[in-house]
Amino acid sequence: QAVVTQEPSLTVSPGGTVTLTCGSSTGAVTSGHYPYWFQQKPGQVPRTLIFDTSNKYSWTPTRISGSLLGGKAALTLSGAQPEDEAVYYCLLYYNADRVFGGGTTLTVL
Amino acid sequence: QLQLQESGPGLVKPSETLSLPCSVSGGFINTNRFFWVWIRQPPGKGLEWIGSVHYSGTIHYSPSLRNRITISGDMSKNQFSLKLSSVTAADMAIYYCALNYDDGSGRFYWGQGTLVTVSS
Repeated sequence: QAVVTQEPSLTVSPGGTVTLTCGSSTGAVTSGHYPYWFQQKPGQVPRTLIFDTSNKYSWTPTRISGSLLGGKAALTLSGAQPEDEAVYYCLLYYNADRVFGGGTTLTVL
Repeated sequence: QLQLQESGPGLVKPSETLSLPCSVSGGFINTNRFFWVWIRQPPGKGLEWIGSVHYSGTIHYSPSLRNRITISGDMSKNQFSLKLSSVTAADMAIYYCALNYDDGSGRFYWGQGTLVTVSS
């Protein structure tokens, strides 16, 4: 089974910009992995932010965007807010498998 | 708006089979528009994809759990279920059911999750 890797933790200053990445043990992440990004705050159900690499939902803050960067899926927060403090998970689709990354704990400090 | 609700025993004994139904309201599960999905999260840890089943018959089970899981649907009750056999302490987690649309919309509806403890 593929292993999906994320930074364990990142810190960003309020108003700053941070990029979280999502890599695959099988090689470069492509649009064919249909990357999803989820946000989970303590005690809450995960919330979907991005699907198919860069597509947003109506509730996705405009400061959050998804892309492919250097062979990885990436989630960029521009102008971080205190409410962005959470754990972020990526999800990649493989032919007959779906695999979550280990999650990135984002601190806004 | 679809809503999902997991139910089932909060406590299971080691070696027993865990059975978790997920009731769906606001829509019908007998459609090719989405996958029925189960995800779990051990306390304090990350998310793990357990498996997903499409109404058309496509099945995606996690390789690490494939030998112990079955995901199936009960159209008469508009619910789908997870069965996990031979549970151990490592299976203790919050179990989430979800619906993952397969129509390009990216819609991903989650249940509230139910905590399952494994203990004798």
